[in-house]
Parts: sequence; C-alpha cells; structure tokens
Amino acid sequence: AQRVTQPEKLLSVFKGAPVELKCNYSYSGSPELFWYVQYSRQRLQLLLRHISRESIKGFTADLNKGETSFHLKKPFAQEEDSAMYYCALPLGSQGNLIFGKGTKLSVKP
Amino acid sequence: GAVVSQHPSWVICKSGTSVKIECRSLDFQATTMFWYRQFPKQSLMLMATSNEGSKATYEQGVEKDKFLINHASLTLSTLTVTSAHPEDSSFYICSARPGPTGYNQPQHFGDGTRLSIL
Repeated sequence: AQRVTQPEKLLSVFKGAPVELKCNYSYSGSPELFWYVQYSRQRLQLLLRHISRESIKGFTADLNKGETSFHLKKPFAQEEDSAMYYCALPLGSQGNLIFGKGTKLSVKP
Repeated sequence: GAVVSQHPSWVICKSGTSVKIECRSLDFQATTMFWYRQFPKQSLMLMATSNEGSKATYEQGVEKDKFLINHASLTLSTLTVTSAHPEDSSFYICSARPGPTGYNQPQHFGDGTRLSIL
C-alpha cells in the first residue's frame, strides 16, 4: 500500500546545526514527492518538490529510490525554520495527497 | 500568486446545525479541490476530492451525506457539514490544484476552518 512515513514527531536542534527531517515512502512506480511546511498560525505551504530539484530557504531534498527516501536537509538551521514539516505523495489520477504524520522542527537559539 | 481563501476561519454552532465552508481560488482556476480534516497534533487526512462540474470522490469512511461537497465553478468549492454534532468538531482545510494540469502539480492550501459544535 502507498504510504508516507515520517519517523520523528519532534526534532530539536540548535541554531547553526545541520538538520535532516526523514521521510520514507512506499509506492510502486516513480513517485513525485513534496515537502510542505506549516509555520505557527499559518497555512500549509509548499516548500519544495522532488521534480524541481531546487533549494528553497536553504533546504534541499533528494529522492533516493534505492532507500525509498526523500529526506529534507539544511546545513545550518535558523530559528525561523521552526515549524511543522510534512512529506507528501500524490496518488491516483487526481493527485490526492497522502501526508506523513509530520515532524515538528524546533530550532533553539 | 496561487492564493486559496477559506471562509469562515472559525465557526461555533449548536448541535444539529448545518455549516457551510467555502474554498475559493483567488487568482487561478482549479479543476480539482481537496478537503482535509486535521485533528489536534495530527496530520491532514483527505476527506474528499472535489471536481468542478461532477460529483465529489469521498475517501473510505467519510459519509457523503454528512459532508456535502459542491464544486460549481472553477474557483469555488463548498463543504457543508449537515446536522453537525460535537464529534464533527475539527479543523477543516481545503486545497486547490491549478488546472486542468497534470496530477502531480502542487496543491495550494487555505487557512483552514475551525469548527466547534456545542
């Protein structure tokens, strides 16, 4: 069955430290994966997508088909990165999104 | 660009009342809109997929007669919670995908509606 797994509910790092938010997926075929971010009291917004291969706010994510992972990384975390991060996988002909349970990133000063 | 407006942001009503939530794409057309439900400290759960001009597709376990969805135009979808009860209290979020385009285009989310049934 298609599934998105984010094993960490909470990740706490200090400012300037590297951060990696894990995402593993289960999907037959070539997946298209997204990372969404939800800052405190704000709407869910797209952070980046696999197909774009871009870096947004210093974050990058590489699709590893061998490990079925799409981990989100940033070399130097900032306090403003504190938020909920969701990994998502679109399915079906209409692109319904399956979300992971989310990881709360807390960056301490 | 790609702004989705959801209204109301918060509604409190008595048990048995029907509540309508609107989801509008403000600067783009959306053939497909999605309705999610989010419980406290949990992830988003897809309730239904709304397609303009056709019947919505509901996820397993979601009562279509309870959660009526109408997608009458390319910029508006509505979710009506009929005869709401306290167990329907939750955070409801809509999203819209610019279209008609490929299925893997990103969705843009509204701010959500907090529904509290007394």
